[in-house]
Amino acid sequence: GDSVTQMEGPVTLSEEAFLTINCTYTATGYPSLFWYVQYPGEGLQLLLKATKADDKGSNKGFEATYRKETTSFHLEKGSVQVSDSAVYFCALSDRGTDKLIFGTGTRLQVFP
Amino acid sequence: EPEVTQTPSHQVTQMGQEVILRCVPISNHLYFYWYRQILGQKVEFLVSFYNNEISEKSEIFDDQFSVERPDGSNFTLKIRSTKLEDSAMYFCASSLTSGTRGETQYFGPGTRLLVL
Repeated sequence: GDSVTQMEGPVTLSEEAFLTINCTYTATGYPSLFWYVQYPGEGLQLLLKATKADDKGSNKGFEATYRKETTSFHLEKGSVQVSDSAVYFCALSDRGTDKLIFGTGTRLQVFP
Repeated sequence: EPEVTQTPSHQVTQMGQEVILRCVPISNHLYFYWYRQILGQKVEFLVSFYNNEISEKSEIFDDQFSVERPDGSNFTLKIRSTKLEDSAMYFCASSLTSGTRGETQYFGPGTRLLVL
């Protein structure tokens, strides 16, 4: 069945460092791909999404490109801030189904 | 900005007791969902609901679970006889249109359920 695999955390970075969080997926169809973020004490918030191959989602300096050939949707940010500290979830939604399938989440800790 | 709200934020119950988790989706949304996250594990889909009926459910969503939209604003998840393994964070979500088209699902802050 469909699945999402994320890199293990925590990822610990200094402020202004470059961030990559890897995400790969397995799907039978042509899924839509999402990154959600969960700040401490809050719910899951959509960070960005891409609905077809080669689309790039971007928001708040984060970006991810839907790569069908490598079945990947890696999250990147050029310069992280302390306020980016959160748990990041990669997810997919395959066509014909309502459900989101999530990865395990990756905790990002950014220190000044 | 409209948001999904959930109550209570924390619930502690005894094994075998019934619990009802409540959610208020975004007001003009038509599709509603419940997910759960057992500590240290993935967020898992439980059920989706549209037009007053279940549109999709997972294997987890067995006969002890039920969902209801009792009025125009609330969306509830009932667990009839809780088990220890039901301890988890439960997330409600809503979307304007069907998730099958890659529609964004908006999540609430969650209810942490602890079954003793």
